[in-house]
Amino acid sequence: GIQVEQSPPDLILQEGANSTLRCNFSDSVNNLQWFHQNPWGQLINLFYIPSGTKQNGRLSATTVATERYSLLYISSSQTTDSGVYFCAVHAYQLIWGAGTKLIIKP
Amino acid sequence: DAGVTQSPTHLIKTRGQQVTLRCSPKSGHDTVSWYQQALGQGPQFIFQYYEEEERQRGNFPDRFSGHQFPNYSSELNVNALLLGDSALYLCASIQPRRASGANVLTFGAGSRLTVL
Repeated sequence: GIQVEQSPPDLILQEGANSTLRCNFSDSVNNLQWFHQNPWGQLINLFYIPSGTKQNGRLSATTVATERYSLLYISSSQTTDSGVYFCAVHAYQLIWGAGTKLIIKP
Repeated sequence: DAGVTQSPTHLIKTRGQQVTLRCSPKSGHDTVSWYQQALGQGPQFIFQYYEEEERQRGNFPDRFSGHQFPNYSSELNVNALLLGDSALYLCASIQPRRASGANVLTFGAGSRLTVL
């Protein structure tokens, strides 16, 4: 089946720093989504991005489907950005990566 | 506009017991998926319901069963609970398929099950 790998597994940054999270997938997929799970467990959809680039405020994402990877950029990090970031790809069902745990220190 | 609501938020059961978790989808959504998320891991797909039928199923045993009602709400039932069933159970709803080809999910806050 399709494998989804995320890197780095953990990331600790100071407030105001920028970060790049990566998601690699092993096969062609119909779409890709990025999620943020806050420390209380709530999952929020950040981007639906099967290809190309999208931006939403301080967050942006780029998917290069032909090379089977996606990147999530977070600029000027805030403590509220802390949590786990997941990418999930859709084959016949959503297949999730293990996540990147991001901690933003004040 | 209410999002996805799940109940209960937390519950504790003992091995061998049965549990029922409930989910009300976001208004206008007709498809519901259930996920199990063990501590420190990504969500694992359990199954998806559409038009009151199970349409897709992940790699979970028959102890996991579900139901969807005419109002699109859904239940997840787990029988003969094992210690390994302890997890956060997430429900997600999807907008009507005719509206968009994109399967953008809206998640509830989850039900945290502890099996002792």
